[in-house]
Amino acid sequence: QLTLQESGPGLVKPSETLSLTCTVSGGSISSNGHYWAWIRQPPGKGLEWLANIHYTGSTYYNPSLKSRVTISVDTSTDQFSLKLRSVTAADMAVYYCARLEVDYFYYMDVWGKGTTVTVSS
Amino acid sequence: QSALTQPPSASGSPGQSVTISCTGTSSDVGGYNYVSWYQQHPGKAPKLIIYGVTKRPSGVPDRFSGSKSGNTASLTVSGLQAEDEAEYYCCSYVGSVTYVFGTGTKVTVL
Repeated sequence: QLTLQESGPGLVKPSETLSLTCTVSGGSISSNGHYWAWIRQPPGKGLEWLANIHYTGSTYYNPSLKSRVTISVDTSTDQFSLKLRSVTAADMAVYYCARLEVDYFYYMDVWGKGTTVTVSS
Repeated sequence: QSALTQPPSASGSPGQSVTISCTGTSSDVGGYNYVSWYQQHPGKAPKLIIYGVTKRPSGVPDRFSGSKSGNTASLTVSGLQAEDEAEYYCCSYVGSVTYVFGTGTKVTVL
């Protein structure tokens, strides 16, 4: 059974870079029919899709965050990562990683449990 | 990419049905049959309950059904049960492996 686990510092200072990693277990990140995604949810608010990556390195970003976000993949460790630069209080959220099914339909079928990120000096 | 519009809340008594709408544009909901729905209980990760507008993943009760007309997708929960009380989010593919979520609907079982 495929599982995803987010990891990273729970506290980031304003203007610094947030770095998160998602570890894929019970399966391989090197799947043609899947992309790997980051989604976030500010406290009390809705879900926001941030970025996707394929194991080949193909990436797609939310236009509203594209200038600050970088997603990367490491197939040797079955991990993918998110970097968000110049964070502010508006970036405080629970960050989820998820698997994207893209063979026939486009949906997020497996989610990590999420990791909470606080932005504070 | 603007968030898809959902009603903030919906409610029903046990055994009743509730329908949640998800309104977008011809560039997202209306342009693709790739609408998915997610159920989220407090403090938990979202869970996929509908994909491809109408399809249910294995293990999801058939009380959950989806549909679409034009730029609006809908999720219906029939025979409401206490455990259906949760937040529900729609999500649409918007091309080039990019996505937009709905604003979310809190379903209350009275």
